[in-house]
Amino acid sequence: GAGVSQSPSNKVTEKGKDVELRCDPISGHTALYWYRQSLGQGLEFLIYFQGNSAPDKSGLPSDRFSAERTGGSVSTLTIQRTQQEDSAVYLCASRLSPSNEQFFGPGTRLTVL
Amino acid sequence: KQEVTQIPAALSVPEGENLVLNCSFTDSAIYNLQWFRQDPGKGLTSLLLIQSSQREQTSGRLNASLDKSSGRSTLYIAASQPGDSATYLCAVWGTTSGTYKYIFGTGTRLKVLA
Repeated sequence: GAGVSQSPSNKVTEKGKDVELRCDPISGHTALYWYRQSLGQGLEFLIYFQGNSAPDKSGLPSDRFSAERTGGSVSTLTIQRTQQEDSAVYLCASRLSPSNEQFFGPGTRLTVL
Repeated sequence: KQEVTQIPAALSVPEGENLVLNCSFTDSAIYNLQWFRQDPGKGLTSLLLIQSSQREQTSGRLNASLDKSSGRSTLYIAASQPGDSATYLCAVWGTTSGTYKYIFGTGTRLKVLA
């Protein structure tokens, strides 16, 4: 595709349910990043992938969060047993090494009731 | 612990003015610093990235400088235009307790008046 796409664009779920957020990076981009932005708060870095591997997962907020990337392309961010504090916009970005420019997707707005 | 602060939090200027946005960080052990722009309801756009070994980067009307030793970066916008209205974020990439991560500032909301 022409840009980074994320799905769904909006997700409303009940507390305790699991959700899966998807990111389709720009074709050929080797690096992929996940961030979240909570209402009234700054942008928080979650995790990045170089190829299929994530060198460091300690930025994930809790062990309810996990992320994977397969085939050096699509990435999914899974949140288990969602809590209300997980409500935020989740942003994905991709980058083609060695360029430093990240291209961002439109985000997934997650609302946990 | 790395903390990133941006001043001012909001700024309103008339069109045509040159302006400076400030970013400061507490831990100088960074690999790079990046400036982003966020438009309401839209994603982020990378503007400029400065490696830790560099002093500045320029792109069009934008110039970003980095003084790692003092923990400061500035984003200079020349001849501002209404289309520059957005929130500007700076972020540092470095390690905190052995963890690689981006730490973002809370942003400067810029409004350029026609």
